[in-house]
Amino acid sequence: AQSVSQHNHHVILSEAASLELGCNYSYGGTVNLFWYVQYPGQHLQLLLKYFSGDPLVKGIKGFEAEFIKSKFSFNLRKPSVQWSDTAEYFCAVIANFGNEKLTFGTGTRLTIIP
Amino acid sequence: NAGVTQTPKFRILKIGQSMTLQCTQDMNHNYMYWYRQDPGMGLKLIYYSVGAGITDKGEVPNGYNVSRSTTEDFPLRLELAAPSQTSVYFCASSYGTGSSSGANVLTFGAGSRLTVL
Repeated sequence: AQSVSQHNHHVILSEAASLELGCNYSYGGTVNLFWYVQYPGQHLQLLLKYFSGDPLVKGIKGFEAEFIKSKFSFNLRKPSVQWSDTAEYFCAVIANFGNEKLTFGTGTRLTIIP
Repeated sequence: NAGVTQTPKFRILKIGQSMTLQCTQDMNHNYMYWYRQDPGMGLKLIYYSVGAGITDKGEVPNGYNVSRSTTEDFPLRLELAAPSQTSVYFCASSYGTGSSSGANVLTFGAGSRLTVL
């Protein structure tokens, strides 16, 4: 069965710092990968997704993620964070075969200090 | 364009009471889902539906029931509320699954915060 690990539970950064949030998944076959963001008091919104092709995926608000198949990773990056990036970030995976459903990681809470 | 609408936004229940969380989507999506979100646990799938009349259990279905009589509606029922069901519940929908780039993208509702005392 597929699973997702997000090892950073809470990350605190100052504005303008660079960000990298880790995401590793376990599944031997082809997968689709997602990052969702949940701003305080709001619902989850899609940040970016990878289905195929270029492993470097660009999303909204300057975020990007790189799919490294050999490492089973899909880390989220942003070169310079803003206070408005304070949110909880969820990585998710779904196998591209069979009857699997989207599986979410436990989330990483990001706090940006002005 | 409403997307996914959930009601109520907040509810407090006493142990043993029952209630239904409502979910409606106006995007003609075939797939609908109910997740619960608990601090530090991420989102866990409770039930899902692949179309009207078809539902199936997710990872944590105990204590819940669902129905899907129409494409638009996917209510979640709690029959005998327990403190362990205190959580935030999210309904979501997608037009399908598979390898096409839009199929697995979920649209979420705003959430329903339930407290059982």
